[in-house]
This record gives sequence, structure tokens and C-alpha cells, in this order.
Amino acid sequence: AQSVSQHNHHVILSEAASLELGCNYSYGGTVNLFWYVQYPGQHLQLLLKYFSGDPLVKGIKGFEAEFIKSKFSFNLRKPSVQWSDTAEYFCAENNNAGNMLTFGGGTRLMVKP
Amino acid sequence: SAVISQKPSRDICQRGTSLTIQCQVDSQVTMMFWYRQQPGQSLTLIATANQGSEATYESGFVIDKFPISRPNLTFSTLTVSNMSPEDSSIYLCSVVTSDRGYEQYFGPGTRLTVT
Repeated sequence: AQSVSQHNHHVILSEAASLELGCNYSYGGTVNLFWYVQYPGQHLQLLLKYFSGDPLVKGIKGFEAEFIKSKFSFNLRKPSVQWSDTAEYFCAENNNAGNMLTFGGGTRLMVKP
Repeated sequence: SAVISQKPSRDICQRGTSLTIQCQVDSQVTMMFWYRQQPGQSLTLIATANQGSEATYESGFVIDKFPISRPNLTFSTLTVSNMSPEDSSIYLCSVVTSDRGYEQYFGPGTRLTVT
């Protein structure tokens, strides 16, 4: 069965610090990869996605992620975080088999002003 | 993208009762899913709601406990039956809208507390 791992469960950063959240997936075939964000009290929103092509994907709000096939990774990055980035971040994948997503455990990010 | 609404947004229910959650989408969509997010945890897929046929359940979820209806391409319901405190979760509806079928959009969720 596919699995997605997010090794950082809680991250605390100061504003303007750089962010990198780890995500590793297990499926060895073709995958589609996603990062979702859940701001406090709000529902899940898609930050960015990778289907194919350029492994460096740019999303909304200055986020980007890099697909590294050899490492089964899809880490999320942002060069300078803001207080408003405080949220929970979920990595997810599907392997085209049925469109259902397999989610990682989530990373709770707190940005101190 | 699609605009998804869920009713109710939250409820507090007694053990042994059932609750039906509604999911309405503003456009016709091929695929709809129901997920559960237990307190402090990630999302787990419950089932795929298939229009015109029975839902497809993931391991650990059964139709008797989580019956699902999908009468048309814009609407689905999930019932949580014979509830216990362990069913306290956020239940989310999601849809796939793009032709490539890989993007999912999520509803606001229904926060269920079972006492």
C-alpha cells in the first residue's frame, strides 16, 4: 500500500526564516504529488501539485516544491515565511489508479511574529 | 475549481444515534470522495461515492457503518451510523474536477462530536 511520510510534525519559525518541510512517498511507479494547506478554522486548500515535467513546482503564496524521484521526495519550501503562513501542511499523492489521495500525517507550522 | 458545501457544519450527537452529512457541489463532477480527519491526525479516505452504484469502501470502513448515497453528479450523503465517541472527527467531502482527474478540492468539513 502507498504511504506518505512527513517527518516534521511540528515546526516553529520566526518571520522571515526559510522553510523546508519534508515529504517522502513510497509508491515506486508514476505518482502525482500535492501539498495542501489548512489554515486555522479553514478548509483544505491546494498549494501546489506535480504531475509531470519540471520537477520544481511553484505554487501559491510563494511556496515551491521539488520532486526528486531518486529520493522519493517532494519537499515544500518557502524562502521567507510570514506569520500568516501559520497552518497545517499536508503532503499527498495518488498513483492514477483511482484519484483517491493518500495523505501524510501533516506538519503543523507556527510562525512567530 | 469547484465550490463545495457541507451540511451540517458541526453537530454534537449522542452515542447510538446516526447522522447524515450532505455534500453539495456547484457543478457536475465525476468523482466524489469522503474522508475522515480524526482529532490531531491526518486525513483518511473512507470511500469513493459512485454515481448510480454502490460506494467503494477503503479497508477498515464498511457500508453498514458509513452508508453513502450519490443520487446525481452534484450531491452525495454520508451517514455515520450507531455512533460512538470514536467517531468524533471532521468528515470531509472532496471532488475531482479536472479532465486529468488528479486535482481534488475539499469541502469545509463537518465537525462531529459524539458524547
